[in-house]
Amino acid sequence: IAGITQAPTSQILAAGRRMTLRCTQDMRHNAMYWYRQDLGLGLRLIHYSNTAGTTGKGEVPDGYSVSRANTDDFPLTLASAVPSQTSVYFCASSPQEGMDIQYFGAGTRLSVL
Amino acid sequence: GQNIDQPTEMTATEGAIVQINCTYQTSGFNGLFWYQQHAGEAPTFLSYNVLDGLEEKGRFSSFLSRSKGYSYLLLKELQMKDSASYLCAAMDSNYQLIWGAGTKLIIKP
Repeated sequence: IAGITQAPTSQILAAGRRMTLRCTQDMRHNAMYWYRQDLGLGLRLIHYSNTAGTTGKGEVPDGYSVSRANTDDFPLTLASAVPSQTSVYFCASSPQEGMDIQYFGAGTRLSVL
Repeated sequence: GQNIDQPTEMTATEGAIVQINCTYQTSGFNGLFWYQQHAGEAPTFLSYNVLDGLEEKGRFSSFLSRSKGYSYLLLKELQMKDSASYLCAAMDSNYQLIWGAGTKLIIKP
């Protein structure tokens, strides 16, 4: 089934640990995005990639890094997790950057203790 | 700054009509999106408006007024499965989406 797969579904992490959230899409979309969703706030863009080999910073990039080695994969890494990074993380993709529908993965629920 | 405002929560009755409003302020404007998000699930696309006016798609319609920085989502013949959060998002001049916090819609029988 075509779509976006995120892993893990949920994770409890000790503060200071390194963690990589995985995101894979099989729709051959050029653009990919990482958002965090917190209660009472809108989705906030962490990082994005308009095409393989390029990445950019969103609204809240501090403490996170991404890579885009190929079209399908867009992992998000927390180098040293802090409790304020407790959130639900969504990966999304769109055929092109810009005025295009974004398709979302099921999300990763992360708790940093 | 950039801002999206929409009501936190609304309640409606099964079979009725509900209108969810959204006002936006962005640096540049490249369209207004509405997404539906059921609890614990991913957002899914509902509609996109870039020109003024009403776009109708089955039981759902979306309206845009660029001069007023205003949009609404109209849901007709409400069903229990429409209970969800509805997210308004405006695309700015950098083609990035600015998201509202969402409106939780509760449908009562």
